[in-house]
This record gives sequence, structure tokens and C-alpha cells, in this order.
Amino acid sequence: AQSVTQPDIHITVSEGASLELRCNYSYGATPYLFWYVQSPGQGLQLLLKYFSGDTLVQGIKGFEAEFKRSQSSFNLRKPSVHWSDAAEYFCAVGFSYGGATNKLIFGTGTLLAVQP
Amino acid sequence: EAQVTQNPRYLITVTGKKLTVTCSQNMNHEYMSWYRQDPGLGLRQIYYSMNVEVTDKGDVPEGYKVSRKEKRNFPLILESPSPNQTSLYFCASSLSVGQQYEQYFGPGTRLTVT
Repeated sequence: AQSVTQPDIHITVSEGASLELRCNYSYGATPYLFWYVQSPGQGLQLLLKYFSGDTLVQGIKGFEAEFKRSQSSFNLRKPSVHWSDAAEYFCAVGFSYGGATNKLIFGTGTLLAVQP
Repeated sequence: EAQVTQNPRYLITVTGKKLTVTCSQNMNHEYMSWYRQDPGLGLRQIYYSMNVEVTDKGDVPEGYKVSRKEKRNFPLILESPSPNQTSLYFCASSLSVGQQYEQYFGPGTRLTVT
């Protein structure tokens, strides 16, 4: 069955430090991969997505993610974290089967705290 | 401004009292979906709609109903709410039904059932 794992429930980094959030998926075919961010009291905003081609994708707010097929991973990175990056981050896999051709499976989220 | 709106944003109700959470999008999107978000479980799909008058169950449909009479609206109905439906609910829409299409999310509705 398709699944998405975010092994880190909570991460704290210092402002200016680099960040990597992990995401692993289980899916038999080439996945469509997404990272969403949820700021406190807000809905989810798309940070970036991978469908095909270059395995390093750039997103908004200075984030990037790398698709590694051999590791079934799609880790999110940022070289220098800002206090405004404190939020919850969700990795998601999009796939189609039957009639549900726009189904997203979400990970359980990683809550990022940023220390001054 | 392109957006998905939900109302109400916060709702406290009692067990058994029917309620409706509205969802509207102004982007002429075909696909709409409802999710619930619970701590440690991420987002789980309740129902989705691929177009007007076409709806289907997601992963956790029990206790919920939906309708899609107009393209822009996709209300979520709880006929007899129970405390286990206390959750944060998100409506989302996307241009079409392919998995490559980004989903746009509403701001969420926090529901408490006592």
C-alpha cells in the first residue's frame, strides 16, 4: 500500500542554520511528490513539487528538495533558516488508481521550531 | 484573488446537531476534496468530487456527506456529529483530476463536538 513517512515529528534549529526534513515513501510506480507548509492557523501552501526530470527541484521561500529513487526519499532542504520558517511541514505523494485520480497521501508532518 | 474559502472557521457544537461546513473556490476547478487533520495522523481524505454531481468516498467517509450541485461549492455535511469528529477540516481544489495538479487548500475549519 502507498504510504509516506516523515520520521521526525519535531525539529528545532537555530536561525541561520541549515535544515533538512526527511520524507520517505512507498509506492510501486514513479510518484508525484509534494511538500506543503502549514503556518499556525493557516491552510496548507505548496512549497514545491516533483513530477519528472531534474531530481533537484526548487520551490518558494528558498526551499529545495531532492528526489532519490534508490532511497525512495524526497527530503526538503534550506541552507539558512529564518524565524518565519517555523511551521509544520507535510510531505505528500500523489498517485492515481481507479477513479481517485488526484489522491494525495500525506505524511504525519514535521513541526519545525526556530531558535533565535 | 484566487482562493478557497471555508465557513465557519471555528465551530463548537453538541452531539447529534446537524451541521454544514461550506467550501467555495473561485478558480473554476473541477476537482474538490475534503480532508481532516488529526495530531499524529496527518491529513486524511474524507470525500472528493471530480466534477458537478460526481462525488466519491475517500479514506474516512463514515459520518459525513457531501454534495456538488455547482462547480464552485462543495459543502461537507455532518448529519449527526459525534465527539470523534472533533478535528481540523480542510477543503481543497485543483484544476483537474490528474495527480500532477496542485491542490489549493482553504484556511481550515476547527470543529469541536461536545
